[in-house]
Amino acid sequence: GAGVSQSPSNKVTEKGKDVELRCDPISGHTALYWYRQSLGQGLEFLIYFQGNSAPDKSGLPSDRFSAERTGESVSTLTIQRTQQEDSAVYLCASSLIVNEQFFGPGTRLTVL
Amino acid sequence: RKEVEQDPGPFNVPEGATVAFNCTYSNSASQSFFWYRQDCRKEPKLLMSVYSSGNEDGRFTAQLNRASQYISLLIRDSKLSDSATYLCAVIHNFGNEKLTFGTGTRLTIIP
Repeated sequence: GAGVSQSPSNKVTEKGKDVELRCDPISGHTALYWYRQSLGQGLEFLIYFQGNSAPDKSGLPSDRFSAERTGESVSTLTIQRTQQEDSAVYLCASSLIVNEQFFGPGTRLTVL
Repeated sequence: RKEVEQDPGPFNVPEGATVAFNCTYSNSASQSFFWYRQDCRKEPKLLMSVYSSGNEDGRFTAQLNRASQYISLLIRDSKLSDSATYLCAVIHNFGNEKLTFGTGTRLTIIP
């Protein structure tokens, strides 16, 4: 079956612009996670959705970052006024049960 | 101190050898433990969960030591295709299954 998909696969933007990253989880997966991976850094948790609610936003690095999920399906991560330190690979994962998080291919964001 | 720590390597190991990685975690209340494999410029993929009694999947064996707060991964008879970065990950509590990752250990199998 179809896995987690993310779009765009690559995004180059100028400092100060806003960007939207999209995640389509595996159909029926109730939990959805956003992580990011920077060069030299590990995978860092950003935000977690259970259904359309976000019980844990503790990983969002600043108020420039926000995310939403609708229809217990698609999620969008928005970064406002991008900075160079936002450059990273943004990964989305979804799961139905504990112990099985499936990752999408990621969006590589480059802020010039 | 980071919540989950790994030796970043690199580990350069001849084909056919046995290699082992350790990963330590700081939260003694952590509930679930995993090893992920990540190939270059690809997403992480679950290699195996780590159970209290230890578990084996073919050439791969995972162990959990709660007293010393570490997990280990043993790869026997290593293959060229095992070359990748191996990430350990921890879930701290049920009800919020966010993964906390180590920075990964880079493994290269040498022909």
